[in-house]
Amino acid sequence: AQRVTQPEKLLSVFKGAPVELKCNYSYSGSPELFWYVQYSRQRLQLLLRHISRESIKGFTADLNKGETSFHLKKPFAQEEDSAMYYCALSEQGGSEKLVFGKGTKLTVNP
Amino acid sequence: KAGVTQTPRYLIKTRGQQVTLSCSPISGHRSVSWYQQTPGQGLQFLFEYFSETQRNKGNFPGRFSGRQFSNSRSEMNVSTLELGDSALYLCASSRGGQTYGYTFGSGTRLTVV
Repeated sequence: AQRVTQPEKLLSVFKGAPVELKCNYSYSGSPELFWYVQYSRQRLQLLLRHISRESIKGFTADLNKGETSFHLKKPFAQEEDSAMYYCALSEQGGSEKLVFGKGTKLTVNP
Repeated sequence: KAGVTQTPRYLIKTRGQQVTLSCSPISGHRSVSWYQQTPGQGLQFLFEYFSETQRNKGNFPGRFSGRQFSNSRSEMNVSTLELGDSALYLCASSRGGQTYGYTFGSGTRLTVV
């Protein structure tokens, strides 16, 4: 069965420090991976997708099939990055069903 | 353009009752998916509808059902409510396929007492 693990429930960094939110997955095929973010009092929204290999708000994520990981990184964290971050997996072929990790709450301190 | 609209925002029901939640997707989005979010289990997939057909279903009991109308609006129904059904129910729409990702609604907070 597919599984997405985010080992850190809480992550706290200082403004300007690098940040890495970890995501590991379990899936036998070639998954599509996503990061979703939920800012305080806002809706859950798509941050980035691995297939587009884009950088959004300074965040990047690389799919490492050997380590089955899709960690989210930003070199210099900003206070406005404080939010709940969810890693999610879609089955090969772009199935609508997403399997989400439990999320990591990132706090960026001034 | 208007986002994904879910109604009602809050709902309190008694054990044993049934409830219907509504979701209006973004115009042009033909796929609607439903998720249950709880503190313990996180976000769990309920089902997905595309062009009025259920294409995917999660591991939830038959008390959870849904449907989609020709205008892509969707409803989900939970019968014989249990205390454990208390959750935030999220609706998400997409054009179809995960290429562009989901757009989520604000959710319906269901409390079963």
